[in-house]
Amino acid sequence: QSALTQPASVSGSLGQSITLSCSGSDDDIGRFKLVSWFQQYPGEAPKLLIFEADKRPSWASDRFSGSRSGNTASLTISGLQAEDDADYYCCSYAGANTYVFGSGTKVTVL
Amino acid sequence: QVRLQQSGAGLLKPSETLSLTCTVHNGSFNGFYWSWIRQSPGKGLEWMGEINQYGNTHDNPSLKSRVTLTIDPSTSQFSLKLNSVTAADTAVYYCARARMPKHYFDYWGQGALVTVSS
Repeated sequence: QSALTQPASVSGSLGQSITLSCSGSDDDIGRFKLVSWFQQYPGEAPKLLIFEADKRPSWASDRFSGSRSGNTASLTISGLQAEDDADYYCCSYAGANTYVFGSGTKVTVL
Repeated sequence: QVRLQQSGAGLLKPSETLSLTCTVHNGSFNGFYWSWIRQSPGKGLEWMGEINQYGNTHDNPSLKSRVTLTIDPSTSQFSLKLNSVTAADTAVYYCARARMPKHYFDYWGQGALVTVSS
């Protein structure tokens, strides 16, 4: 069970849109449409942004959107704002009642 | 609003047993899986295991059966024990609620730092 692969860092300017990738395998992202995304600020717990690849919980801004194609999931942040400066993690169900997380992406808002 | 409150943390010596508890407030305890997830300093997240109200458990094979999960629905609490800790187990430990059957974590505890050092 290997961690999902995410770019270490992505940056963007205020108002810009950016897309974060999360690469897995046939055993996790490729097999299940059960990918979730989390936002984490330093010293805080992760917060759910996206579940089931493209669904948002009620508390998540509609500037966050998710998608999945093959073994890769993506999170797009539209209209980048200062408060989007944070770490982002993907997570996939990996079968047999197990989960695998990504290595995390640091988003810097310029 | 569902709130998960963690207790237990601190400093352990190698070979000791880590013990953490999570209390669920303002939400149903039944119908969910209750998970433990950890984050090593400066690193990513690692799912450790989960338990439901019937005591059914699943755990991460990479932890080589060092994990013991227990639950007490009467007090809305669930607990984690990790035995034979080493420095590699130094991390912030989170409890979280897992939604089924869509398999995602919607509510998280505040986190508890556990440091393993001789």
